[in-house]
Amino acid sequence: DAKTTQPNSMESNEEEPVHLPCNHSTISGTDYIHWYRQLPSQGPEYVIHGLTSNVNNRMASLAIAEDRKSSTLILHRATLRDAAVYYCILRDTGNQFYFGTGTSLTVIP
Amino acid sequence: DAGITQSPRHKVTETGTPVTLRCHQTENHRYMYWYRQDPGHGLRLIHYSYGVKDTDKGEVSDGYSVSRSKTEDFLLTLESATSSQTSVYFCAISEPTSGTPFFGPGTRLTVL
Repeated sequence: DAKTTQPNSMESNEEEPVHLPCNHSTISGTDYIHWYRQLPSQGPEYVIHGLTSNVNNRMASLAIAEDRKSSTLILHRATLRDAAVYYCILRDTGNQFYFGTGTSLTVIP
Repeated sequence: DAGITQSPRHKVTETGTPVTLRCHQTENHRYMYWYRQDPGHGLRLIHYSYGVKDTDKGEVSDGYSVSRSKTEDFLLTLESATSSQTSVYFCAISEPTSGTPFFGPGTRLTVL
């Protein structure tokens, strides 16, 4: 099973960039890296995903290490609405997704 | 938002009773998943389906069974509910090409 490791919690000041790290040392060559976030009492919400190259969308950027054993989700300007639990997950060739315990992000006004 | 609904949204039941949770999608996605979420464990995969009548076990499948007789519906059954199955249950759907799963709103189940 593909597994990920993330810090339990992080803090950021509002309007500052946030870098959320994820280690996935057992990743295989065909595993996609997905990031989700979850607000209280809601289901996980898709943020971004990638395979090898860095990716950008309107929500965030995803930086993937050259060896693919780690990745970083970048929120360019944190807002109070970005306070959530962020999950880094891997999708294997069987289309199964395995979640870790995620990083709880606190945004300080 | 992807068209995924879960029913019921909340349920309280007693130990030993059978419980069925329903996940319904309007997106015609091939893959469907059931996860449970507990404090300190994140989301854990219970069962998944890769097509009608095609299902397989996830990492925490003991005590659960699933069925998928139609593309749009994926049922999760607890044959005899136990207190350890008190949890929030999430359904998700995805397509093999994009792979990105979309999650339903969740069902909060309490087993007394």
